[in-house]
Amino acid sequence: QKEVEQDPGPLSVPEGAIVSLNCTYSNSAFQYFMWYRQYSRKGPELLMYTYSSGNKEDGRFTAQVDKSSKYISLFIRDSQPSDSATYLCAMKETSGSRLTFGEGTQLTVNP
Amino acid sequence: DVKVTQSSRYLVKRTGEKVFLECVQDMDHENMFWYRQDPGLGLRLIYFSYDVKMKEKGDIPEGYSVSREKKERFSLILESASTNQTSMYLCASSLLPQPHTFGSGTRLTVV
Repeated sequence: QKEVEQDPGPLSVPEGAIVSLNCTYSNSAFQYFMWYRQYSRKGPELLMYTYSSGNKEDGRFTAQVDKSSKYISLFIRDSQPSDSATYLCAMKETSGSRLTFGEGTQLTVNP
Repeated sequence: DVKVTQSSRYLVKRTGEKVFLECVQDMDHENMFWYRQDPGLGLRLIYFSYDVKMKEKGDIPEGYSVSREKKERFSLILESASTNQTSMYLCASSLLPQPHTFGSGTRLTVV
């Protein structure tokens, strides 16, 4: 079983929709949680970074962490065609520098 | 902003060639990483380094080696390229506890 499971998609939504992207994990040592966005043929770029359980908001993006359920989510409000990309969740233990990634969810927002 | 620069965006090499992929970061990051990314497999860690001349194997080190002679530069070496090493290669750097910053990637094709 993989340490991090991510809904693979692909996901296709109309412009303006609310998008929910999700990951579950099995390693209770994961304490840091990230979401990366990756456009086609580019490197991943960091969207959200959080340590604690709860919600963190940045513009149209909200990251949610539930450590008790080992579940994280990324919500995108008022989705735009420019949000079309692959979204990767990533996690890290307190010690060490390695990240463990989900496989990514490909999102298409249709005008 | 930290910048991670990968020397080539696209490379085509022949089977059996020795291939060098170069990565440079412009901040004083201690940690550097090499991943490959393949459809359906996500990001897989090849090697990482937490200091000059220090290296550790990741999950798929076979067929690869690395070199870190200076803190800002981390090289990935394919000793004898094979077609199954055709992939997107991503370099990243980090300063704990911050998450990775990625380069733009090198798409390598081995023919």
